[in-house]
Amino acid sequence: LAKTTQPISMDSYEGQEVNITCSHNNIATNDYITWYQQFPSQGPRFIIQGYKTKVTNEVASLFIPADRKSSTLSLPRVSLSDTAVYFCLVGGSARQLTFGSGTQLTVLP
Amino acid sequence: NAGVTQTPKFQVLKTGQSMTLQCAQDMNHEYMSWYRQDPGMGLRLIHYSVGAGITDQGEVPNGYNVSRSTTEDFPLRLLSAAPSQTSVYFCASRPPTGGTSGANVLTFGAGSRLTVL
Repeated sequence: LAKTTQPISMDSYEGQEVNITCSHNNIATNDYITWYQQFPSQGPRFIIQGYKTKVTNEVASLFIPADRKSSTLSLPRVSLSDTAVYFCLVGGSARQLTFGSGTQLTVLP
Repeated sequence: NAGVTQTPKFQVLKTGQSMTLQCAQDMNHEYMSWYRQDPGMGLRLIHYSVGAGITDQGEVPNGYNVSRSTTEDFPLRLLSAAPSQTSVYFCASRPPTGGTSGANVLTFGAGSRLTVL
């Protein structure tokens, strides 16, 4: 099972770009990298998923280097409503999907 | 389309009592799982199921039982509640993977907050 490591917390200001990095040194060949967002008193919500290089959707971008041992979630121009915990998850068709502790992002006015 | 529905949302138990947390999904997902979330601990996998009649243990299975008699339902049972089981519990499901990118795309319920006194 690929273990992930993320910063415990990050602060940012409204309008800034935020980059959250996740380390996953023992990622397997068929593993995908998935990021989730969790607001207080809610379940995690899927944000973005990628395998290599760069993926972009209407919410975020995901950058994955060639060795795939890390990934960076990029949130453009954050607002107060982006304050949440962000989790990265690494796995393929594994039955046991294990999450790390997540990164608490706090967006300040 | 309700997604993943968990009941109850809140529950208070006394030590030694038993209860069942209910989880139902209407997306015809084969894979279902239960996580607990404690402050600073992230999400820890308790049990999971890859289809009706098939269940297996996750990281922290002790004190919990599960069964999967239908595709839709995956209840989590606490046979004798302990204060250490005070937590927020999340049920999650995903569609069949076939080794594709959908493997990690879990749909979570809203959670059940359990307090054991």
